Amino acid sequence: EAGVTQSPTHLIKTRGQQATLRCSPISGHTSVYWYQQALGLGLQFLLWYDEGEERNRGNFPPRFSGRQFPNYSSELNVNALELEDSALYLCASSLGRGAYTGELFFGEGSRLTVL
Amino acid sequence: RKEVEQDPGPFNVPEGATVAFNCTYSNSASQSFFWYRQDCRKEPKLLMSVYSSGNEDGRFTAQLNRASQYISLLIRDSKLSDSATYLCVVEDTGRRALTFGSGTRLQVQP
Repeated sequence: EAGVTQSPTHLIKTRGQQATLRCSPISGHTSVYWYQQALGLGLQFLLWYDEGEERNRGNFPPRFSGRQFPNYSSELNVNALELEDSALYLCASSLGRGAYTGELFFGEGSRLTVL
Repeated sequence: RKEVEQDPGPFNVPEGATVAFNCTYSNSASQSFFWYRQDCRKEPKLLMSVYSSGNEDGRFTAQLNRASQYISLLIRDSKLSDSATYLCVVEDTGRRALTFGSGTRLQVQP
């Protein structure tokens, strides 16, 4: 069974540009989460999507946004890139409401470098 | 103050040793607790959930003290393969927002 897949693996952008990261959850999982892991820092919660809707967002500016598609895959968009946005972006998925166990399954991440 | 605090380590221990990691959290609304493991340049993976009564999974024992807002992980008979970063995680279940500590690095040496 395929795990959580993310693309691209690496992305290089310049300041002011926009980045789009993609995530496909494990089959059967309806919840998708996005986390940022900057160098030397812990995982910071960005967004939670479930059943196509944004359910919760972390303490990040509005230029971080995303969406979840009917097939439960998800996109994270980062507008007006800043140097400090350089980080590993991890997507995770889980079972949805009613079946949630607390376990998140992570993808291998997309490494964004902003020059 | 960080929401979840862990000693970053590294903890360098010989094979067969017993090692304990501690973690404190600040949000008293936290309802669920976990330990995740992250190998170098890999994604985090769930090691075990932490229950109020304490729980054991093979060589791993987790404890929770809600009054002190403190979580621990004990690893007995350390193996080389236990070398990794151990992440303490707390969750406000209603908001589905897992808060990760920065991790404690363990290096088990032969």
